[in-house]
Amino acid sequence: SQQGEEDPQALSIQEGENATMNCSYKTSINNLQWYRQNSGRGLVHLILIRSNEREKHSGRLRVTLDTSKKSSSLLITASRAADTASYFCATDYRETSGSRLTFGEGTQLTVNP
Amino acid sequence: KAGVTQTPRYLIKTRGQQVTLSCSPISGHRSVSWYQQTPGQGLQFLFEYFSETQRNKGNFPGRFSGRQFSNSRSEMNVSTLELGDSALYLCASSLKWGTYNSPLHFGNGTRLTVT
Repeated sequence: SQQGEEDPQALSIQEGENATMNCSYKTSINNLQWYRQNSGRGLVHLILIRSNEREKHSGRLRVTLDTSKKSSSLLITASRAADTASYFCATDYRETSGSRLTFGEGTQLTVNP
Repeated sequence: KAGVTQTPRYLIKTRGQQVTLSCSPISGHRSVSWYQQTPGQGLQFLFEYFSETQRNKGNFPGRFSGRQFSNSRSEMNVSTLELGDSALYLCASSLKWGTYNSPLHFGNGTRLTVT
């Protein structure tokens, strides 16, 4: 099963508004990453937050991490039409066969001009 | 520095055939991971290679295999294709394997359609 789950599945907002996406995960992690994917393309890394960090900023992006609730949120401020994409959280998932980076189902963000 | 390159970009195959996809990582990156992306299952981990050795494998049947060459380029092969194998196959490279404290760098994928 997926390690991470994003919420909501889809989000539609107007340009200039803020967009918030949430991610929940199941097991303890060392870090959590957020990626963006434009339609039919590869994923692009946005930000990485370590388990001992609570908040991180990068330009218009703000990520929070609550390890007690096993959840993270990605906030995009002052959104633009170019922010239209799918957003995924990814966590390092450890099992007996080794580690892997596992991705949630993603949030489809549409920013209307 | 060139990014991750995947070839071909699009592929159409018939059920029962086999297919080979190629991935060239960023120069200096020795780890290559493969993912299958479908609308229903999302991003599913296939396998990860580092220094020509498979380090981890996802829950896919044996029809899915891969390899890595000494120059870190990687190929994945799917034999006896099924309709359900239609997907976007993504390759990602990184410097290390097994620890995910740095980003994965993805290619733009190979879109495989099985008819």
